[in-house]
Amino acid sequence: SQQGEEDPQALSIQEGENATMNCSYKTSINNLQWYRQNSGRGLVHLILIRSNEREKHSGRLRVTLDTSKKSSSLLITASRAADTASYFCATAFPDYKLSFGAGTTVTVRA
Amino acid sequence: NAGVTQTPKFRVLKTGQSMTLLCAQDMNHEYMYWYRQDPGMGLRLIHYSVGEGTTAKGEVPDGYNVSRLKKQNFLLGLESAAPSQTSVYFCASSVRERPNQRNEQFFGPGTRLTVL
Repeated sequence: SQQGEEDPQALSIQEGENATMNCSYKTSINNLQWYRQNSGRGLVHLILIRSNEREKHSGRLRVTLDTSKKSSSLLITASRAADTASYFCATAFPDYKLSFGAGTTVTVRA
Repeated sequence: NAGVTQTPKFRVLKTGQSMTLLCAQDMNHEYMYWYRQDPGMGLRLIHYSVGEGTTAKGEVPDGYNVSRLKKQNFLLGLESAAPSQTSVYFCASSVRERPNQRNEQFFGPGTRLTVL
């Protein structure tokens, strides 16, 4: 069974706006990772946050993790057309074994 | 570096036929994985390997076999294909699990398989 569930399933925003998506999971994790998938391509790793961390930043990405609520959020600031993709959260336990959610499809309108 | 490559990119099989998907990585990664991706379901782990000569079952292993005879290659076999195995298959690799390291997975471009 899949560990992570993303919300919303789909998101449409205007270029320059922020995009926020959430991930909830069920069991203990070592870390939580976010991946991006462009249409017809493989997944690309975006950011990893460990279970003892609460927030991480990478460029225009901000990830938060609340282990008490078993949830994470990914914020993409100042979105661009190139950010149009599907975004997946993946929980890791142990570190090398990932369980993916069904993803959030983000469309950035010019 | 090519990263993770998969062959073939596309394949159409008839029910009952067999085939092997090949994954190769040139990053000297210890761990390798096979996933399938179906519409609306994200990725599900089929089998994985933590080193040359080792394999283990993932979430959905039935109907598939794997082999890791060389560190850089991970083969996924379908002995008797079924329409339920129509999917996009992704291979991935990662370094050995280490504390405080980026244990990210690197993905190949995928193989789109249709079983009629």
